[in-house]
Amino acid sequence: ELKVEQNPLFLSMQEGKNYTIYCNYSTTSDRLYWYRQDPGKSLESLFVLLSNGAVKQEGRLMASLDTKARLSTLHITAAVHDLSATYFCAVRNRIQGAQKLVFGQGTRLTINP
Amino acid sequence: ETGVTQTPRHLVMGMTNKKSLKCEQHLGHNAMYWYKQSAKKPLELMFVYSLEERVENNSVPSRFSPECPNSSHLFLHLHTLQPEDSALYLCASSQELAGAHEQFFGPGTRLTVL
Repeated sequence: ELKVEQNPLFLSMQEGKNYTIYCNYSTTSDRLYWYRQDPGKSLESLFVLLSNGAVKQEGRLMASLDTKARLSTLHITAAVHDLSATYFCAVRNRIQGAQKLVFGQGTRLTINP
Repeated sequence: ETGVTQTPRHLVMGMTNKKSLKCEQHLGHNAMYWYKQSAKKPLELMFVYSLEERVENNSVPSRFSPECPNSSHLFLHLHTLQPEDSALYLCASSQELAGAHEQFFGPGTRLTVL
């Protein structure tokens, strides 16, 4: 059974600092997704990582994937308050022409001025 | 309307009521999903439909009954729910057989069972 674990689950940081969220998964998969969720809102897709060594960047967020280590990281550079949200990673299991995403527990990120 | 829409956005119901949640996707996708998000658990996949056929049912109690009449619409029929079923119910869709297969989520229905 595929399991996905994120750490830390809670992260409080100061504006301007850098930090990394880790996502480990238990069985082989070729796709990993990062989502953002604001309080009371739905999930917004941030990154899709399709292959080993993939790196994607959008603004102050950068995501990478190491399929051999079954690890993805989401790095935040010079954090700003607007990045406060819960971040989820999800790993794909294929099933009969559709896909099953297994989500991590989420990392609640709070950025203080 | 664009993307994935869900109605109602909020629902309060008693344990003996019957209600339905509706999801509609305007993205031309061919797979749709129901997820449950509770306060203290990771996002849980409930049902998957691909090309209008159910391909996954994750041991969901029978008081939840999905329906997918066409590739754009997905329903979740609810009856005799329990208070622990209170949660945010999210619908998602994706395009299979091509691309990154990214799932796009609707805004969710916040369900409270009294």
